[in-house]
Amino acid sequence: SQKIEQNSEALNIQEGKTATLTCNYTNYSPAYLQWYRQDPGRGPVFLLLIRENEKEKRKERLKVTFDTTLKQSLFHITASQPADSATYLCALSNNDMRFGAGTRLTVKP
Amino acid sequence: GAGVSQSPRYKVTKRGQDVALRCDPISGHVSLYWYRQALGQGPEFLTYFNYEAQQDKSGLPNDRFSAERPEGSISTLTIQRTEQRDSAMYRCASSLAGPQGRSTGELFFGEGSRLTVL
Repeated sequence: SQKIEQNSEALNIQEGKTATLTCNYTNYSPAYLQWYRQDPGRGPVFLLLIRENEKEKRKERLKVTFDTTLKQSLFHITASQPADSATYLCALSNNDMRFGAGTRLTVKP
Repeated sequence: GAGVSQSPRYKVTKRGQDVALRCDPISGHVSLYWYRQALGQGPEFLTYFNYEAQQDKSGLPNDRFSAERPEGSISTLTIQRTEQRDSAMYRCASSLAGPQGRSTGELFFGEGSRLTVL
């Protein structure tokens, strides 16, 4: 069966450091992969999309990599700020759209 | 409205009752998705539509759950004979269509309908 695994439930880092979140998947051949941010009590908000033929994508302090051989995506937030504290979800799509369980990031001042 | 609208925001019902949850997507968005989200978990895929056609309903837990989108805009998720285990946040999302009428990918989520079955 299809599985999407995000490396840990929670990640705590110090302000200014780079946060790295991992998304691994099995039994899936996604056309693209996305990352979303979700704040408590709110719906997920889209951040970045990367296609199967792309290796890396950047947006401001965010960087996403996509390795279809390893079946893995890495999501980096550089120069992290307390305002980056949230749950980050990866989502895979091949017509449908399925999400991982999320990683709760806390950036401490 | 400017965003995805879901109603009701909160629904409390007794076990055995039927409930209908409504989603009004962003105007012009052709793909519409339904998810269920438990506290501390990611959204669990239920079903999705392109226009009025239900493309995939493999995520619906059992035959008490159904969804429709008859005119390719507003969608209704119906849960018949509700059970306590159906209690959750139900989220709807919509997206634009790209080439070939398929979703461009970016989902816009509503604020959800929180269902509590007593």
